Amino acid sequence: DIQMTQSPSTLSASVGDRVTITCRASQSISTWLAWYQQKPGKAPKLLIYKASSLESGVPSRFSGSGSGTEFTLTISSLQPDDFATYYCQQYNSYYATFGQGTKVEIK
Amino acid sequence: EVQLLESGGGLVQPGGSLRLSCAASAFTFSSYAMSWVRQAPGKGLEWVSTVSVSGGGTYYADSVKGRFTISRDNSKNTLYLHMSSLRAEDTAVYYCATIWGFNSWGQGTLVTVSS
Repeated sequence: DIQMTQSPSTLSASVGDRVTITCRASQSISTWLAWYQQKPGKAPKLLIYKASSLESGVPSRFSGSGSGTEFTLTISSLQPDDFATYYCQQYNSYYATFGQGTKVEIK
Repeated sequence: EVQLLESGGGLVQPGGSLRLSCAASAFTFSSYAMSWVRQAPGKGLEWVSTVSVSGGGTYYADSVKGRFTISRDNSKNTLYLHMSSLRAEDTAVYYCATIWGFNSWGQGTLVTVSS
């Protein structure tokens, strides 16, 4: 199975900060990578698919990049609503594994 | 509007069995692979299983292989997860989701394994 390593596990930031989260795959997944935001008690919400495509309705301050084994999620200017946990997921195969998650906390 | 509605969760004793269902609506269910994803209390997301469009291909995480069985009934637009030999570490919210083609998740159903 493909292992996904996400970093950091926790990130403390302030409103207006630029934030970057990294996800590394144990083997090439081309661009079959999604990024999700999850808030407590809620289902995950898709932000980015195919590594860099912004899901409809998601603010443009979210962006994704990468291919192969290295991927990043960037929030260009952190907003109060963005404090949440973020996950990457590879879907290169039907064994669709997740990263461990990154909790974005208020500094 | 696309909807995925899970049911069947609850309290079960260790070693017991449970069947989860996920009723799909407002999309062509038979055209999409479907998955189950779980989240233990305070933990991250864990992919559990995927079933192919026809149901002929099934895929499992090592943690559930041999104990869980995924299936689907395309005539009823319903996804299933039969869970047996349940352990305390299977306690989690279980989500059904479609990931390939388009991305949609249910609200989740809680499974608690405890004596």
